[in-house]
Amino acid sequence: GDQVEQSPSALSLHEGTGSALRCNFTTTMRAVQWFRKNSRGSLINLFYLASGTKENGRLKSAFDSKERYSTLHIRDAQLEDSGTYFCAAGANTGKLTFGHGTILRVHP
Amino acid sequence: EAAVTQSPRNKVTVTGGNVTLSCRQTNSHNYMYWYRQDTGHGLRLIHYSYGAGNLQIGDVPDGYKATRTTQEDFFLLLELASPSQTSLYFCASSDGGENTGQLYFGEGSKLTVL
Repeated sequence: GDQVEQSPSALSLHEGTGSALRCNFTTTMRAVQWFRKNSRGSLINLFYLASGTKENGRLKSAFDSKERYSTLHIRDAQLEDSGTYFCAAGANTGKLTFGHGTILRVHP
Repeated sequence: EAAVTQSPRNKVTVTGGNVTLSCRQTNSHNYMYWYRQDTGHGLRLIHYSYGAGNLQIGDVPDGYKATRTTQEDFFLLLELASPSQTSLYFCASSDGGENTGQLYFGEGSKLTVL
């Protein structure tokens, strides 16, 4: 089965509100990365975490290797935040596994 | 900022056709990767390499060959394209192994096999 379970698969937010995306792992991961695919199709690297939390503007991510999950929090969502968000994580086998993605739509 | 450039950005071919997707990174990264992205599957690793002349098999390698000619250049080869290979292909690079390096992606190559 999939090693990375990402939820929700789709999310709709009003401008100015916030929510969280989550990835659960079926095995211990060494690091997690979060990406956003923008309207042009480019994959933008948002965060790389080996542990703990990181914050960048309105985005904050956390990674707990022991509890096998990572989260991406979005606050004060803006229209330009719309896109597909992916988490990706690697276990000791050396391969990175991606979640299936969360389609975020921010509307006025 | 890492620069990863893919070409072509769009390609249409017929079943049985021969396709080469090119990727160049200009930041002296050791690792390069080819992924395909399909709805409902996220990104899946096809092949990757940790240096010129090296090739490692990913999770979905069937029907694909790859070659890393230099540290900068990584090619994905479809010698007998099939409709199941219609997908969006992403190349990526990193300065470490997948577990220790941040990935930088190209802008994607959309392949349609008729």
